Amino acid sequence: KAGVTQTPRYLIKTRGQQVTLSCSPISGHRSVSWYQQTPGQGLQFLFEYFSETQRNKGNFPGRFSGRQFSNSRSEMNVSTLELGDSALYLCASSLVAGYGYTFGSGTRLTVV
Amino acid sequence: EDKVVQSPLSLVVHEGDTVTLNCSYEVTNFRSLLWYKQEKKAPTFLFMLTSSGIEKKSGRLSSILDKKELFSILNITATQTGDSAVYLCAVRLDQGAQKLVFGQGTRLTINP
Repeated sequence: KAGVTQTPRYLIKTRGQQVTLSCSPISGHRSVSWYQQTPGQGLQFLFEYFSETQRNKGNFPGRFSGRQFSNSRSEMNVSTLELGDSALYLCASSLVAGYGYTFGSGTRLTVV
Repeated sequence: EDKVVQSPLSLVVHEGDTVTLNCSYEVTNFRSLLWYKQEKKAPTFLFMLTSSGIEKKSGRLSSILDKKELFSILNITATQTGDSAVYLCAVRLDQGAQKLVFGQGTRLTINP
């Protein structure tokens, strides 16, 4: 079965712009969570969605937002980009929350 | 503040050596501890540990959890160059949620 698909793979944006990243979970998985990975901070939790509802949010500013659609696909949006937002953004899905997390290959965002 | 600490941060060994990676944690409402291997982008799942003292094994890899002393170890025997990767330890918090708190990772390099 297909894995977790994240698009685009790479993205270069300018400070002040906004960006939308997409995550398609494994078929049948209803739980999707997002993580930011940087060399300095490691992997940090952004938010988690289950059945179109945000159930958990990490300690990130309001510029970071997300949503989940009825087909479980999820998007995250970052507005007013800053240089420090440059990171690998990873999405993980699971059938039910807490079991069998599978990560996608991520979107590498570079802000210049 | 929930915290997961891995040691060492970096390790270089020769092929055939045995390595032990450490993960300690201080979190509220512990549910389970997970180990991942990250070679390029997508972390791949290795183990999930919930109970103390029960060793999980998969080939040359094994892991055990001590919930009294709040740590876990990941052992790799007869290392191969393909084991070179960043090994991530994560703790899952809160039943029903998918929030993972990650350690900084251990970068393992296996030299031939």
